[in-house]
Amino acid sequence: AQTVTQSQPEMSVQEAETVTLSCTYDTSESDYYLFWYKQPPSRQMILVIRQEAYKQQNATENRFSVNFQKAAKSFSLKISDSQLGDAAMYFCALIQGAQKLVFGQGTRLTINP
Amino acid sequence: SQTIHQWPATLVQPVGSPLSLECTVEGTSNPNLYWYRQAAGRGLQLLFYSVGIGQISSEVPQNLSASRPQDRQFILSSKKLLLSDSGFYLCAWSGERPISQYFGPGTRLTVL
Repeated sequence: AQTVTQSQPEMSVQEAETVTLSCTYDTSESDYYLFWYKQPPSRQMILVIRQEAYKQQNATENRFSVNFQKAAKSFSLKISDSQLGDAAMYFCALIQGAQKLVFGQGTRLTINP
Repeated sequence: SQTIHQWPATLVQPVGSPLSLECTVEGTSNPNLYWYRQAAGRGLQLLFYSVGIGQISSEVPQNLSASRPQDRQFILSSKKLLLSDSGFYLCAWSGERPISQYFGPGTRLTVL
């Protein structure tokens, strides 16, 4: 069975600084996708970034980047130049083959002005 | 561009009453559609998904059912709500490829 673990229930960072959110996962498949979703107070889930397991290059989207370590089954999210609008719950998620997204329990990120 | 709608945004229902939540997608055809539930402070749990009209797969045995009467319409229903059905319900869609799922604004359901 697939599992996704986020070991940091809460994180905080000063505005304009960099923060890294951790995620580990377990899957028996070689073909899968990993995602980070952001859930602001409105509770709508917003896709932040996606990583295909077959790609060695780490995905980047503007201030968001990932560190994908396939052998270690680790998938961390780095947010550079943190902004107040980045404050939210962040969920790591995994999908393989079939349609089911498996989510971690989330990390609540606070941005301190 | 694609847009996903859900309604109602908020719903308060008594125990034992019926439920109907609706999700529609615009700007795409033959999407895969999903219903998720999120309990307070937790991650999402997949309830149902559909790859086409009338095709529903259930992930969790429960008091709920889903239907897809039209290509871009997905409905979550219950005949009799339980207290444990309270939560935040999210609809999502994806294309066949790429595999990313995109979520609607959600419905907050409170069963009293």
